[in-house]
Amino acid sequence: DSGVTQTPKHLITATGQRVTLRCSPRSGDLSVYWYQQSLDQGLQFLIHYYNGEERAKGNILERFSAQQFPDLHSELNLSSLELGDSALYFCASSGGVGEQFFGPGTRLTVL
Amino acid sequence: DAKTTQPPSMDCAEGRAANLPCNHSTISGNEYVYWYRQIHSQGPQYIIHGLKNNETNEMASLIITEDRKSSTLILPHATLRDTAVYYCIVRVYNNAGNMLTFGGGTRLMVKP
Repeated sequence: DSGVTQTPKHLITATGQRVTLRCSPRSGDLSVYWYQQSLDQGLQFLIHYYNGEERAKGNILERFSAQQFPDLHSELNLSSLELGDSALYFCASSGGVGEQFFGPGTRLTVL
Repeated sequence: DAKTTQPPSMDCAEGRAANLPCNHSTISGNEYVYWYRQIHSQGPQYIIHGLKNNETNEMASLIITEDRKSSTLILPHATLRDTAVYYCIVRVYNNAGNMLTFGGGTRLMVKP
């Protein structure tokens, strides 16, 4: 158990819909990272937040957005969903510049 | 971040040492070598990291060549639970943009 929690575990929705994925980092960790893992793209970095501020963006679509709240939990919002958005979404947390601890992921299926 | 090259797959007999190689010939002086693994579809798990000295923890050993252009992750007594995809990642250890860039990794199959 990494100490990082993600909800929900599974999400099935239809094209065009909007969903929110939630991540609670390890106690005391200020950084939250979001990654997407699809069958054809592998694990890809989406976005990094540090203590409520966006620090870095990766291959994140404009239809996707994220935020980190004062209690340090983070949400990833995916809108206008397409079939190709079906993937595993992981969040990770770290305490600074060290290793990252990953959550169990949310499996998103878009039908 | 420097690019890494790993064999796509390897087999190892249960109880034997698993030696997973990684080439990172363009590594810079301030870049560390990190190893993560992903068991089935679980979240990646941190294993170990190092700069230039060999490192060991309860999970594995990391051997980095003197020129730092390659490294080997060693699982001393592989078990069936070590079957996973192992990722070698090279990156700078600082506060700016600490994202991990995952390549294809090595799929290690531990066989009875």
